[in-house]
Amino acid sequence: GAVVSQHPSRVICKSGTSVKIECRSLDFQATTMFWYRQFPKQSLMLMATSNEGSKATYEQGVEKDKFLINHASLTLSTLTVTSAHPEDSSFYICSARDRRGGSTDTQYFGPGTRLTVL
Amino acid sequence: QKEVEQNSGPLSVPEGAIASLNCTYSDRGSQSFFWYRQYSGKSPELIMSIYSNGDKEDGRFTAQLNKASQYVSLLIRDSQPSDSATYLCAVNPGYSTLTFGKGTMLLVSP
Repeated sequence: GAVVSQHPSRVICKSGTSVKIECRSLDFQATTMFWYRQFPKQSLMLMATSNEGSKATYEQGVEKDKFLINHASLTLSTLTVTSAHPEDSSFYICSARDRRGGSTDTQYFGPGTRLTVL
Repeated sequence: QKEVEQNSGPLSVPEGAIASLNCTYSDRGSQSFFWYRQYSGKSPELIMSIYSNGDKEDGRFTAQLNKASQYVSLLIRDSQPSDSATYLCAVNPGYSTLTFGKGTMLLVSP
């Protein structure tokens, strides 16, 4: 159990275009999902916390108008990178929190989406 | 600022040896602790979670937690080359989010 999928796994786009990344919890309901970004050889950086049915909470320094997050259902959150530029090229990873079985806050990660902006 | 500290490594061990990975955290109120494994180019994979002081064993992995000293460790017995990866320590300081360390790279040589 506790499987999280992401789509697409890899995307290459031109500068100025928008890219949507989907994150799904496949076998559990996730009221909270998280979006991270990771640059090569660096640690995970939390971008935002996505709560089902409400606005996302963004970390300091993350532009909410550039990184649009929608968590419309208990199993799906989307991250849209608007007007992408080469500096947005990174590995974007979502995670979902599973509270089944009494665990309080275990997060399971999706496989990640590698974004390359030309 | 809540911090989680890990030695970046690399930690090199021969195949079959015990690998010991350590992590310290700053927030005494932290209640949940996790170890994730991340292979190069892949996303993190949950290895262990631990909530109480003491040891927790799962196969070749043992997590150790000492809240008084604010450290958590991961022991990998009979290390295999396939264990070579970056190991991330994560702590819940009481909020909904996790605070991650920067990770320790483990290299297991055949």
